[in-house]
Amino acid sequence: GAVVSQHPSRVICKSGTSVKIECRSLDFQATTMFWYRQFPKQSLMLMATSNEGSKATYEQGVEKDKFLINHASLTLSTLTVTSAHPEDSSFYICSARDRVYGYTFGSGTRLTVV
Amino acid sequence: EDQVTQSPEALRLQEGESSSLNCSYTVSGLRGLFWYRQDPGKGPEFLFTLYSAGEEKEKERLKATLTKKESFLHITAPKPEDSATYLCAVQARAGSYQLTFGKGTKLSVIP
Repeated sequence: GAVVSQHPSRVICKSGTSVKIECRSLDFQATTMFWYRQFPKQSLMLMATSNEGSKATYEQGVEKDKFLINHASLTLSTLTVTSAHPEDSSFYICSARDRVYGYTFGSGTRLTVV
Repeated sequence: EDQVTQSPEALRLQEGESSSLNCSYTVSGLRGLFWYRQDPGKGPEFLFTLYSAGEEKEKERLKATLTKKESFLHITAPKPEDSATYLCAVQARAGSYQLTFGKGTKLSVIP
């Protein structure tokens, strides 16, 4: 089946620094990638949708200057949390979609900002 | 606005005790309904996709069904390894590939 590799799985950073999370589709080309945020005991909240070579479309209330998304190729998307603060601490999950496999999720990244 | 409501929020079962999880949805034109399993600290793992009312799919001890308003995930004779959070999501509106998720049902199967 399809596999999406997400790194790192855990990261701790200091307040004010930036963190990059990488999401790769390993054996398929993703026409669309999604980034979600999940708080404890809550569901996945869509942050943004991106298509290869295009600017990401952000959901209402998500700061595009804070959460930078780059979808440079059909197999790679990155999420950079800029000037991170403790309230950005959360579980971030990417998802890649293609016409054969549908939606495949990464294993998630636990971000802790101290 | 698309809405997905899952119930119950949490469910404790004895090993072998069958039960069902519910996913009620309100969408403007259902394109697909998805069930995922999520283990703590992990991303969702795909289980089923259902596209039209009356459709059913099975995988091992799990069976998913779909009506025009809701979906059920039936778990037959569950084992402790079935313990996880089960998420339901819908894809609505032609041309949009976004999924709307419910909050999930946390299932605990006690030996």
